[in-house]
Amino acid sequence: NAGVTQTPKFQVLKTGQSMTLQCAQDMNHEYMSWYRQDPGMGLRLIHYSVGAGITDQGEVPNGYNVSRSTTEDFPLRLLSAAPSQTSVYFCASSYSPYSGQGNGYTFGSGTRLTVV
Amino acid sequence: KNEVEQSPQNLTAQEGEFITINCSYSVGISALHWLQQHPGGGIVSLFMLSSGKKKHGRLIATINIQEKHSSLHITASHPRDSAVYICAVLAQGAQKLVFGQGTRLTINP
Repeated sequence: NAGVTQTPKFQVLKTGQSMTLQCAQDMNHEYMSWYRQDPGMGLRLIHYSVGAGITDQGEVPNGYNVSRSTTEDFPLRLLSAAPSQTSVYFCASSYSPYSGQGNGYTFGSGTRLTVV
Repeated sequence: KNEVEQSPQNLTAQEGEFITINCSYSVGISALHWLQQHPGGGIVSLFMLSSGKKKHGRLIATINIQEKHSSLHITASHPRDSAVYICAVLAQGAQKLVFGQGTRLTINP
């Protein structure tokens, strides 16, 4: 199994450009989520999904869009990139977000995004 | 005050030492996770706890639900244990994790 595949690993964008970060998992996990990690801030939840067709906002959703048309894929779209979105982005999945089910979270390898 | 507090923020030790990293939280939870982030940036899930204690190799995680506290222990520490260790909690009824700030552990040979 590949686990969680996240692409690209690195990206430089100009202010105002849009792009999509891809996240795919092959473990039939219902729960998928996107986080950003900034120095001194820890991981912060952007958006999450509890299943195909269901998405919800996390802690820092502004400037980002998501959709979940299949169980496997959960892309994150930056609508109009801003320097404040310079960060490392992680996608993660789990069988369920609830206690006692599954073995925790599987993380993608991360995308380092720079907006200039 | 953050919902999840870790201590210490930074820890440097010598190879072989017994390591303890602490996590305190302020809400009722249904699960607590310990994650490891290596210098290369990848994040690995170490443990998911809802009660008691779990052990995997040299790593031991404990949780005290009444005291809202968890500890991660590393026995016979090794330089390859150098990483950032992150505690995250799933509040009761919630569908999203809340993360601590992480503990940066450095093990010197």
